[in-house]
Parts: sequence; structure tokens; C-alpha cells
Amino acid sequence: QSVLTQPPSVSGTPGQRVIISCSGSSSNIGSNTVNWFQHLPGTAPKLLIYSNSQRPSGVPDRFSGSKSGTSASLAISGLQSEDEADYYCAGRDDSLNAVLFGGGTKLTVL
Amino acid sequence: QVQLVESGGGLVKPGGSLRLSCAASGFRFSDYFMAWIRQPPGKGLEWVGYISGSGISTYYADSVQGRFTISRDNAKTSVYLQMHRLRADDTAFYYCARDLATADFDLWGQGALVTVSS
Repeated sequence: QSVLTQPPSVSGTPGQRVIISCSGSSSNIGSNTVNWFQHLPGTAPKLLIYSNSQRPSGVPDRFSGSKSGTSASLAISGLQSEDEADYYCAGRDDSLNAVLFGGGTKLTVL
Repeated sequence: QVQLVESGGGLVKPGGSLRLSCAASGFRFSDYFMAWIRQPPGKGLEWVGYISGSGISTYYADSVQGRFTISRDNAKTSVYLQMHRLRADDTAFYYCARDLATADFDLWGQGALVTVSS
């Protein structure tokens, strides 16, 4: 069981907006930045959002991140079929002196 | 070309040892922390540990502490994961990744499969 909690799955239709949540505690999300990764089967994970809300070069602005207190969210607008993937939040935990990944959320585009 | 390439995966018996290598190219290797992250079949990503740019500092997940060792050779621009006393639950794809600062792994290798089975 992950210390960073994500819903196991979310779904949406093309063009819709979906939100994936990531819930933590004061020792991780509450005091450190959150990063988001996209993982398609058979490929290496890809950094999607860093420092809570920053997009690396090349990531479409359809992807956005936010953080409030001990929770973070990844929003995907204008959903496309190629967005179907697993999404993970991640960040440091000061109490555990470790890096944590959320359990992952499988996005299905209907 | 900026890339990471892992090698050394394979089948090993429980209790055995294996060393993974990750060759980096296209960037100033010694400037970066490097991490190992794994994904067991059908499960999510799990941080294994990381090493500072100088190689002086290392940090590990509790699940591998005392069994796994991360090292690096900056002259060869490579990072290594030495695994001892392997268990079935260590079976996973192992990725090396470049760490910008706070778990923002911006560059990943293609992964190496480690299977622990008798």
C-alpha cells in the first residue's frame, strides 16, 4: 500500500477533462514538491509535471498540475486516445528519507 | 545523444546476486544524482535508491537496504546496482533515471528485466 494515494483508475471520452488525485501527508506532499509521470506499456516512464505544476519542454499544455496542502492533482484536458496510460505521482518524504511513488492510476479513454 | 542504457538483467536463483549497469551519454554525468526505480510485473513503480553526483552519498528504500548497493564511475559515465540475497519479490523491470533534484526523474533508461526464480 502506497503512502501516496491515487485512484486505481479513471476514464473519459475524447475531448473531456479528467483529474487524477494524489493524497499524502505533511511529511511528503505537505513539505515537498510533487512530480507526475506518464507510463505507457513497454516504454520508459516520462516526466510529465515537475515542481507541482511545471511542464518539461515538449509536454503539451493539456497537462497541468497543482498542489494544495497535502494533496496534488494532475488535470488532462482535451483528452486524446494516446493519453491512455498509467499515471504516477511522486515526491520525497522527509520522515522516511525516501522517494515515494503513488500506486498509479490507469487512464482509459473510452 | 542524451540517453541511459541499462544492461545486466536476467534470471537468477533466490539468494543469488546480480549487477545491473546503466551507461549514460550526452550530458555532464557527474552533475547529477542518479536513481534506480523498479516495477514488478503488474504493479506500480517503486523507488529503489539513488546516489549523489560525487558518489559519496547513497540512499535506499527499506525493502532493499543492506542487500542492494548503488555505485557509480564518473569516468565511465556509468551507474551500477549490485543486488545480493535476491528474493522472488525483487523480480521486476529495473530502470535507471537521472534525478534533477527532488524526485523529478527527467531521463529514463529502457529498463532491464530481473527475474528471481528457482
